[in-house]
Amino acid sequence: ETGVTQSPTHLIKTRGQQVTLRCSSQSGHNTVSWYQQALGQGPQFIFQYYREEENGRGNFPPRFSGLQFPNYSSELNVNALELDDSALYLCASSFPTGGGYGYTFGSGTRLTVV
Amino acid sequence: DAKTTQPNSMESNEEEPVHLPCNHSTISGTDYIHWYRQLPSQGPEYVIHGLTSNVNNRMASLAIAEDRKSSTLILHRATLRDAAVYYCILRDGGYSTLTFGKGTMLLVSP
Repeated sequence: ETGVTQSPTHLIKTRGQQVTLRCSSQSGHNTVSWYQQALGQGPQFIFQYYREEENGRGNFPPRFSGLQFPNYSSELNVNALELDDSALYLCASSFPTGGGYGYTFGSGTRLTVV
Repeated sequence: DAKTTQPNSMESNEEEPVHLPCNHSTISGTDYIHWYRQLPSQGPEYVIHGLTSNVNNRMASLAIAEDRKSSTLILHRATLRDAAVYYCILRDGGYSTLTFGKGTMLLVSP
């Protein structure tokens, strides 16, 4: 079984630019979540998608947006990049609903905003 | 979200058992107890989860107190590859996601 794949692995952007990060979910998983992890901190929840609909969002501004596609792959878009957006962005997929399932995480995309 | 409390760090020697504690005094009846770990430069990795009964898998064991207000992740024989940050997380039975705290950094010495 394949795991969660994220691309690119590293990215450098300039403040004010826009960025798109991509994620391929583990086979059979139709729920995907995105997290932001600043250096030295635990991951912070951005949003979650289930069957192409957003069904949960953390405390992030609207310039953070996402999409989930019919094949359950996903994108995270960030507009008007700020220096504080520099972080590791993690994608995680899961079976739907229930606290009784675990998430599978990708290795992340390291975004640096200069 | 119900919160968890973990020690900031713990140390162990290789091949010894490790008991990582977690307090969750405000846990609700529908909250599952999840453990993840994050090795350096990697995404978090699912370790184990449970609801009421103790659980075992190939990676670890999870011991849950009878009142469910605390739990312990048990690594039976620590290896150098177990050095990581371990997160104890409560997840309810709905569409909830994972709320990470700061976790416990486990240091393993040869």
